[in-house]
Amino acid sequence: SQKIEQNSEALNIQEGKTATLTCNYTNYSPAYLQWYRQDPGRGPVFLLLIRENEKEKRKERLKVTFDTTLKQSLFHITASQPADSATYLCALDVGIFYNQGGKLIFGQGTELSVKP
Amino acid sequence: NAGVMQNPRHLVRRRGQEARLRCSPMKGHSHVYWYRQLPEEGLKFMVYLQKENIIDESGMPKERFSAEFPKEGPSILRIQQVVRGDSAAYFCASSSRVPDTQYFGPGTRLTVL
Repeated sequence: SQKIEQNSEALNIQEGKTATLTCNYTNYSPAYLQWYRQDPGRGPVFLLLIRENEKEKRKERLKVTFDTTLKQSLFHITASQPADSATYLCALDVGIFYNQGGKLIFGQGTELSVKP
Repeated sequence: NAGVMQNPRHLVRRRGQEARLRCSPMKGHSHVYWYRQLPEEGLKFMVYLQKENIIDESGMPKERFSAEFPKEGPSILRIQQVVRGDSAAYFCASSSRVPDTQYFGPGTRLTVL
């Protein structure tokens, strides 16, 4: 079955440094991958989507890479700030393999803490 | 442009009662998804609906759970005869097309006493 793994341990970094989060997947080749942010008690907030034919995508201080050979995506936050502290989730649409899509499976999430 | 709306935000039920969770998708979105997040666990897909149709219910428990998305009005996730194990955060998401980015609501936190 499809499986997504993210850094299980919390990531603690100093303000101003770059945070790098990892998402690994197995057993299939997704057409795209998404990253979300989730704060305690809130719903996930969409950050970035990267397609299989895109190696890298950027949005302000965020950068995502997608290596379909390694079956891995890396999520970077540069010049991190305490406000970036949250849980970050990666997600893949597995529904596209048997219907038009829509079924996202999520990793467990990586909790990021940025200290001032 | 209002986002995905869910109500109630918090719902308390006693074992054996029914729980009804409502979701209004973003304006212009006709695809709705429900996910469940159990304490200390990740988000799990439950069901995908498009107006009046269930497209994918592969994540729905076989019994007690049902979902609908009528032609008019919000999508409803219904849990009959709730048990303590149903206590979780239930999130709704919507999209304008499929496959595409899904935008999530704030969730309904169900507590079963």
